[in-house]
Amino acid sequence: DQQVKQNSPSLSVQEGRISILNCDYTNSMFDYFLWYKKYPAEGPTFLISISSIKDKNEDGRFTVFLNKSAKHLSLHIVPSQPGDSAVYFCAAPGGYNKLIFGAGTRLAVHP
Amino acid sequence: EPEVTQTPSHQVTQMGQEVILRCVPISNHLYFYWYRQILGQKVEFLVSFYNNEISEKSEIFDDQFSVERPDGSNFTLKIRSTKLEDSAMYFCASTGGTSENTEAFFGQGTRLTVV
Repeated sequence: DQQVKQNSPSLSVQEGRISILNCDYTNSMFDYFLWYKKYPAEGPTFLISISSIKDKNEDGRFTVFLNKSAKHLSLHIVPSQPGDSAVYFCAAPGGYNKLIFGAGTRLAVHP
Repeated sequence: EPEVTQTPSHQVTQMGQEVILRCVPISNHLYFYWYRQILGQKVEFLVSFYNNEISEKSEIFDDQFSVERPDGSNFTLKIRSTKLEDSAMYFCASTGGTSENTEAFFGQGTRLTVV
């Protein structure tokens, strides 16, 4: 089941610069997307979401962009901080009761 | 802030043994879930539970798995006869709303190691 894809397993960014994490999806019925952040030995924590009626949603340093025609979304973190180092998962509700996750992108923010 | 709690944080068991993973979802939430993450792989949906019954389950959730809400607060996942390939992080999650567009809150996970 590859309905949500994160093709970059890792990303390394310098502190203060922008981090861009990408996500593609195949199911055109998806109309809501979520980003989760996960630290080692912890559960995923909700970060930000976007509905398909929008193309952008911003929350502080985090902005999610949605391009429905390309079936692509991205998470921008600016400025990146060392505490942002984690695995980021893109997810979409796959029907009424479950989330379909991408494989995740490990972000490393270095000083 | 309300949170989902899971116990134990780490469980080691011998192959063939039964294990029960426990979760306390957020108290006013209505939907409960189990997900798992095999090391290095994606987070996978196992089962969802609503109104005291399973509402959806994945192919992974075979007859060896069962879920129960034995009282008003706990939500458990039982694996009847564990296999080596059941070794994974198991996450419990809950959501409060009836809308599909409601973020799930996850517990910190139970690391299950089958030896």
